[in-house]
Amino acid sequence: DQQVKQNSPSLSVQEGRISILNCDYTNSMFDYFLWYKKYPAEGPTFLISISSIKDKNEDGRFTVFLNKSAKHLSLHIVPSQPGDSAVYFCAASGSGGYQKVTFGTGTKLQVIP
Amino acid sequence: DAGITQSPRHKVTETGTPVTLRCHQTENHRYMYWYRQDPGHGLRLIHYSYGVKDTDKGEVSDGYSVSRSKTEDFLLTLESATSSQTSVYFCAISGVFGANVLTFGAGSRLTVL
Repeated sequence: DQQVKQNSPSLSVQEGRISILNCDYTNSMFDYFLWYKKYPAEGPTFLISISSIKDKNEDGRFTVFLNKSAKHLSLHIVPSQPGDSAVYFCAASGSGGYQKVTFGTGTKLQVIP
Repeated sequence: DAGITQSPRHKVTETGTPVTLRCHQTENHRYMYWYRQDPGHGLRLIHYSYGVKDTDKGEVSDGYSVSRSKTEDFLLTLESATSSQTSVYFCAISGVFGANVLTFGAGSRLTVL
């Protein structure tokens, strides 16, 4: 039972354009959401997060949007750069400290120069 | 650099042999995790630890055991490796950027023939 779903295994975007990566979740107990970026032969690195009390969080070129009623979140990258080419994992956890984190299956983003 | 070292980074073994993967952290964080990454499954939690000698199962714990005799070391053991355990294994700690934000090691690629 996949509680965090990333339905697009891959995405190609032109350099300079917006990349939108989507994620859906089924567990209503999740209330903290994260995005990780992973390059080949490296571990995932934390990118950005959002708490369920917010619907948007921005960090430079990266913005995460949360729609709790739809159990949907998205990561926007504007403008996309070739160095953004990587696998992006959506993740979710419950409230409070040190909860187990559940990951999606990942979306491979390719930014074409 | 969060100071997480995984060893070995690459290992090829045969079915039925025992394998131990080691995770070493220099940050003195209480929580440590083992995940495996497989195509189509993303990252799945195998076991985690919330202190010395305190461990618990994740979603894919069958065939794996763990031990934590020191804060800095978290060992993952495959008592009798099977081909289905061919995977990339990631160790993680939490607490560097927040309680539910994981910081990952570089990974250990295990091939079971």
